Amino acid sequence: TQLLEQSPQFLSIQEGENLTVYCNSSSVFSSLQWYRQEPGEGPVLLVTVVTGGEVKKLKRLTFQFGDARKDSSLHITAAQPGDTGLYLCAGEEGRRALTFGSGTRLQVQP
Amino acid sequence: KAGVTQTPRYLIKTRGQQVTLSCSPISGHRSVSWYQQTPGQGLQFLFEYFSETQRNKGNFPGRFSGRQFSNSRSEMNVSTLELGDSALYLCASSQGTENTGELFFGEGSRLTVL
Repeated sequence: TQLLEQSPQFLSIQEGENLTVYCNSSSVFSSLQWYRQEPGEGPVLLVTVVTGGEVKKLKRLTFQFGDARKDSSLHITAAQPGDTGLYLCAGEEGRRALTFGSGTRLQVQP
Repeated sequence: KAGVTQTPRYLIKTRGQQVTLSCSPISGHRSVSWYQQTPGQGLQFLFEYFSETQRNKGNFPGRFSGRQFSNSRSEMNVSTLELGDSALYLCASSQGTENTGELFFGEGSRLTVL
């Protein structure tokens, strides 16, 4: 069974602060996806990283895929209240179903 | 383009009953996946259907079943409900080609078992 561990589980910060969320596994994934889920809604895809060492930026969000394709990180610069939500990483391997991490619940206080 | 539609959004059942949840995928998407989301276990994969065939299956008991129709709409059924089945059930559709690709999730059906 492939497992994805996310840390931290909970994060409460003030508007303007920076933060990093980690997603780690002992398994190698062909790609890794990051989703954000807001209350009452389903997860929405933020980004997919495919190549080991790849870095992708989405406005204030920076995603990195580890060189060995076993881990990933999400860095948010100058967090805003609109960034509040549950962040989920999900690993993909071929035709297997996505394996989701346990999630990081982020609260950004104004 | 209409998103993924799940019905019902909320439902309450009692132990021992059975429930059927419905999912209409994005037009043109042939793959439908079902996930169970609970605070303690996170998102757990139930099964995936592609062109009316179950392509992948998670580690859930046989009480959980599903099917997909020729128009790609999918239903999942849970029989003999237990308290622990209380959860948000999420349906996600994708184009379903070689790899899983991007999943488009519905808003979910929140099931409460009393």
